Amino acid sequence: DSGVTQTPKHLITATGQRVTLRCSPRSGDLSVYWYQQSLDQGLQFLIHYYNGEERAKGNILERFSAQQFPDLHSELNLSSLELGDSALYFCASSVDSEGTGELFFGEGSRLTVL
Amino acid sequence: AQTVTQSQPEMSVQEAETVTLSCTYDTSENNYYLFWYKQPPSRQMILVIRQEAYKQQNATENRFSVNFQKAAKSFSLKISDSQLGDTAMYFCAFWTNRDDKIIFGKGTRLHILP
Repeated sequence: DSGVTQTPKHLITATGQRVTLRCSPRSGDLSVYWYQQSLDQGLQFLIHYYNGEERAKGNILERFSAQQFPDLHSELNLSSLELGDSALYFCASSVDSEGTGELFFGEGSRLTVL
Repeated sequence: AQTVTQSQPEMSVQEAETVTLSCTYDTSENNYYLFWYKQPPSRQMILVIRQEAYKQQNATENRFSVNFQKAAKSFSLKISDSQLGDTAMYFCAFWTNRDDKIIFGKGTRLHILP
């Protein structure tokens, strides 16, 4: 158990809908990272927050948004969903503001868009 | 653009054999960190080993070791005395302070055969 909690574990929804994925980092970790894992695409970096502030952004679609709250949990909002958004979404946390240390990953949220 | 390439999509070896997974990366930075992460069928990502680019000595963690060739921008993972529990997807990743993102390769699926 990494100490990172992601909910929901599985989610099935329809095109055009909006979903929110939630991540609670390990106790004491201030950094939260979001990644998207699609078939044959490895892990695509979406966004990194540190202590409530956005630190780095990857190729995150405009339909996607994220935030980190004062209690350090984070949410990833996906809207106007398309079939291609079906993927495993991982949250990871670390204590550092920079990505030099170990990332602790959650079990992921499997999103299926029908 | 900074990239990570894993040229072996899939590999199979017999239990107790030694296997080497390849990874090359491209960056113009001098300060960076390299990682190997393992994703078993349970899908939770786990850090295997970490290497700081300014250290010439190759990192070792029990049966796992790396061959870090900085000039060649190569970072291979060697697994000695492979075990059935090593069956997993292995991802090479790196971080630089230029982008402040941890970039992952597409992964190598490793099967350890009994």
